[in-house]
Amino acid sequence: GDSVTQMEGPVTLSEEAFLTINCTYTATGYPSLFWYVQYPGEGLQLLLKATKADDKGSNKGFEATYRKETTSFHLEKGSVQVSDSAVYFCALTPLSSGSARQLTFGSGTQLTVLP
Amino acid sequence: DADVTQTPRNRITKTGKRIMLECSQTKGHDRMYWYRQDPGLGLRLIYYSFDVKDINKGEISDGYSVSRQAQAKFSLSLESAIPNQTALYFCATSDFQGTFFGQGTRLTVV
Repeated sequence: GDSVTQMEGPVTLSEEAFLTINCTYTATGYPSLFWYVQYPGEGLQLLLKATKADDKGSNKGFEATYRKETTSFHLEKGSVQVSDSAVYFCALTPLSSGSARQLTFGSGTQLTVLP
Repeated sequence: DADVTQTPRNRITKTGKRIMLECSQTKGHDRMYWYRQDPGLGLRLIYYSFDVKDINKGEISDGYSVSRQAQAKFSLSLESAIPNQTALYFCATSDFQGTFFGQGTRLTVV
């Protein structure tokens, strides 16, 4: 079945450091790929998405590129802030789900940014 | 007000008790979902519903049931709660623009 493998955390960085959180996936066909963020005590919010190979999703300084050849969707940010501290989830929607849009999630990566 | 509202936000219950978690949405979406979050496991799908008359099991439906009372309401029941059902539960809705999550219900079974 479909699966998402995320870089294990937790990750601790100093403010203004460069962030990479690795994500690889296994799926048939051409899934849509997502990054969600969960701030403490809150639900998940969509951070960015990409729906086809070579698409780059971006939002709030975060970027991720859909790499079909390496089945990856790594999250990057050039300069993190304390307010970026959260749990980040990589996820996919398989093409076969049609309109149902069930999400398959990675295990999540806890990011802590220190001032 | 939140687009997807879950009640209660926190609940402690005893083993063997029946408990219901409720979800309502104001987004007008047909599709609704219940997920469970466990540390180190991400979110896993329990049940999903395409519309009021269409209910489907997800990856981990054993020990759970659901009811879609209306387009806007989707409740999750634990028929006889057990300690390994202690988790954070999320309701979600979706359309072509994406999936939208509630704030979660933290359930503890003692």
